[in-house]
Amino acid sequence: AQTVTQSQPEMSVQEAETVTLSCTYDTSESDYYLFWYKQPPSRQMILVIRQEAYKQQNATENRFSVNFQKAAKSFSLKISDSQLGDAAMYFCAYRTRGTGNQFYFGTGTSLTVIP
Amino acid sequence: DVKVTQSSRYLVKRTGEKVFLECVQDMDHENMFWYRQDPGLGLRLIYFSYDVKMKEKGDIPEGYSVSREKKERFSLILESASTNQTSMYLCASSPYLTGTEAFFGQGTRLTVV
Repeated sequence: AQTVTQSQPEMSVQEAETVTLSCTYDTSESDYYLFWYKQPPSRQMILVIRQEAYKQQNATENRFSVNFQKAAKSFSLKISDSQLGDAAMYFCAYRTRGTGNQFYFGTGTSLTVIP
Repeated sequence: DVKVTQSSRYLVKRTGEKVFLECVQDMDHENMFWYRQDPGLGLRLIYFSYDVKMKEKGDIPEGYSVSREKKERFSLILESASTNQTSMYLCASSPYLTGTEAFFGQGTRLTVV
């Protein structure tokens, strides 16, 4: 069974600084997708970034980037120039490539941004 | 934009009641999911459906059932609500082919008293 582990229940960062959230996963598959979701206090889950396992290049979306280490099964999220609006719960998720497959989520990391 | 709508943001029910949580998506997605979110446990899959009238158990199906009579609607049913089902419930949908993300509703915070 696939598992996703987020070992940091809580993190904090000073505004304008950089923070990295960790995620590891366990799978025997070679082709899959990885996601980072953000859940602000409004509770609406929002996709932050997506990585395809067969792509070696790390995905980036503005201030958000990932460090994808396939051999180590590691998928960390880096937030640069942190803003107050980045404060949220962040979830790492995994999905096998194919049809109809479910998503596997980590337990989440609560990020606080300090003004 | 994809929209996934859950019928209630907050719900308070009594122990033993039959509870229906409704979810509707407007993007013709084949896959729909029901998750339960609890602090420290992340999102746990209750049931998912990849087609009308099709359903698959997730990790924690006990005490729940689902119904998908139409492609756009996926209902979660608590046959006899119990206090340990007090939680946040999230509905999501995605296209049949993987590669795309799941799109989520705004969540229903259910309290069973």
